[in-house]
Amino acid sequence: DAGVTQSPTHLIKTRGQQVTLRCSPKSGHDTVSWYQQALGQGPQFIFQYYEEEERQRGNFPDRFSGHQFPNYSSELNVNALLLGDSALYLCASSLRQNQETQYFGPGTRLLVL
Amino acid sequence: GNSVTQMEGPVTLSEEAFLTINCTYTATGYPSLFWYVQYPGEGLQLLLKATKADDKGSNKGFEATYRKETTSFHLEKGSVQVSDSAVYFCALSRNQFYFGTGTSLTVIP
Repeated sequence: DAGVTQSPTHLIKTRGQQVTLRCSPKSGHDTVSWYQQALGQGPQFIFQYYEEEERQRGNFPDRFSGHQFPNYSSELNVNALLLGDSALYLCASSLRQNQETQYFGPGTRLLVL
Repeated sequence: GNSVTQMEGPVTLSEEAFLTINCTYTATGYPSLFWYVQYPGEGLQLLLKATKADDKGSNKGFEATYRKETTSFHLEKGSVQVSDSAVYFCALSRNQFYFGTGTSLTVIP
């Protein structure tokens, strides 16, 4: 039973570029949440998707957007990258009826130069 | 609003020492409380949780009790091992998850 997988593992971009990160949830899970973890900080909630719609959103600008596909996998898109977007981006999956039990992927390390 | 305040690290202990990592929270309503652990190069793993006041969460020798009167959820372990070296995050769930800044623990032989 595969856990949560994320791709790519590492990514380097320059300011102003756009990036897409991908997440496949744990088998059987229908809900995906995305977090940003800056160096030395705790994860910050970006948004959550289920039934292919954004359901909850944290305090992040519209440059951060997402998508969920019919197979429950998800993408996080960040436009107009800033240096401050450099972070570890974590995906977590859960069941809609038990959202408090979430499983995290290993993350994608994004460096913006 | 909702927030979590964690004891700052880093914390360095000798093997078999007693561990306490303090965590206090501010929340609207009655959140569930969690401890997550992050080993180097890995994502977060749920360590334990408590969903209501006076509940005790426990796992792998770690314990934490949900104290509503002091709005605290301190993590404890009676005898740490080298393999417990990691970063520990306290979190609350109230429509979304709110994490503390993490406490780095190093256990030396």
